[in-house]
Amino acid sequence: QVQLQESGPGLVKPSETLSVTCTVSGGSINYYYWTWIRQPPGKGLEWIGYIHYSGNTNYNPSLKSRVTISVDTSKNQFSLKLSSVTAADTAFYYCARQAHSRFDPWGRGTLVTVSS
Amino acid sequence: QSVLTQPPSVSGAPGQRITISCTGSSSNIGAGYNVHWYQQLPGTAPKLLIYDNNNRPSGVPDRFSGSKSGTSASLAITGLQAEDEADYYCHSYDSSLSGSVFGGGTKLTVL
Repeated sequence: QVQLQESGPGLVKPSETLSVTCTVSGGSINYYYWTWIRQPPGKGLEWIGYIHYSGNTNYNPSLKSRVTISVDTSKNQFSLKLSSVTAADTAFYYCARQAHSRFDPWGRGTLVTVSS
Repeated sequence: QSVLTQPPSVSGAPGQRITISCTGSSSNIGAGYNVHWYQQLPGTAPKLLIYDNNNRPSGVPDRFSGSKSGTSASLAITGLQAEDEADYYCHSYDSSLSGSVFGGGTKLTVL
């Protein structure tokens, strides 16, 4: 079955750009929407945005000015870039497949800490 | 503050039945958008538990059920077990935000 795996830097400095990639295995990235969700340690879930394999995107209005989601169908990957990060962006970043509005499956998540 | 409102915590003894509410508004649940529920066990990623208001993915025990009415939805767990201790999140679409929204999450403690 489809599996997702996030990969990221672990540590990012304030004001820099956070970059995380999700690799899809066990199935094609085509024909679905793919989404990013984050969760600050000990807190709740926040939807960041999604991308369709065709490149169509939709972002959370609260993050829209800083977020870019892209897709590389040749590598079966999609990526998240979040610019001008602060400590408030420290979180577990999860990728997930979005089908019929629900998120399933999810990746295991990657913790990104923003600190100098 | 989350767009969908859940109680921060609920608890129950083994074997009991508990419910978790998820209250929205006319731009999300009340507009007819589906509600999904996720279970997040300690130290793990969320997992789809209920989709489209009241459907269980393959492998989810029938002890878990969902319902929706008006601007609210509920998750019920019967025959509570120690392994059910987790955080539970509701999820829907909001037309005002043009995107997905989550509840703040509910921590279930099995006494």
